[in-house]
Amino acid sequence: AQSVAQPEDQVNVAEGNPLTVKCTYSVSGNPYLFWYVQYPNRGLQFLLKYITGDNLVKGSYGFEAEFNKSQTSFHLKKPSALVSDSALYFCAVSRGGRRALTFGSGTRLQVQP
Amino acid sequence: EPEVTQTPSHQVTQMGQEVILRCVPISNHLYFYWYRQILGQKVEFLVSFYNNEISEKSEIFDDQFSVERPDGSNFTLKIRSTKLEDSAMYFCASLTEIQETQYFGPGTRLLVL
Repeated sequence: AQSVAQPEDQVNVAEGNPLTVKCTYSVSGNPYLFWYVQYPNRGLQFLLKYITGDNLVKGSYGFEAEFNKSQTSFHLKKPSALVSDSALYFCAVSRGGRRALTFGSGTRLQVQP
Repeated sequence: EPEVTQTPSHQVTQMGQEVILRCVPISNHLYFYWYRQILGQKVEFLVSFYNNEISEKSEIFDDQFSVERPDGSNFTLKIRSTKLEDSAMYFCASLTEIQETQYFGPGTRLLVL
């Protein structure tokens, strides 16, 4: 069985500061890892993914994530947070590109002005 | 930019009634998915569909649920006899074989009374 853990329910950061949203995963075989963001009353928007290649992947809106195989982690990062980044962030894993996604419980990011 | 659309955005129904949730995937996508998110809980996979067949389903997707692609554009989820615990946000997603990324619709909020 595959699983995702997002250990923080909420992350608070001041605008302009770097942010990190943590994610660890468990899956058999090579993981397909994803980050999605959910704004109020909106669907899940794709941010970035790791399938293979460089451990640091870059995505939309200046976000990036680092894949760490030994720590089974895929933390989401951004060098300088914006108030508009405030939203609910979900990490997800699958066993293949077309397979079911297993989501973490989500982390609410609050960026204060 | 092409988007997954879902109708209705909200639906209220009585326990025991049948509901059909509708999705229009992105036009060149071949794989289709349903997920649900009970309020305050994780996003959970229900079913995936490809080439007019279910390709994967979760334990949640029991005989009460069915999916169909009745024409070239719509993808539907039917719940035959709704229960209180079916109240949730239901998300449709679609995927191209090349990109290996699921794109989500805005969701249908179902409330069973």
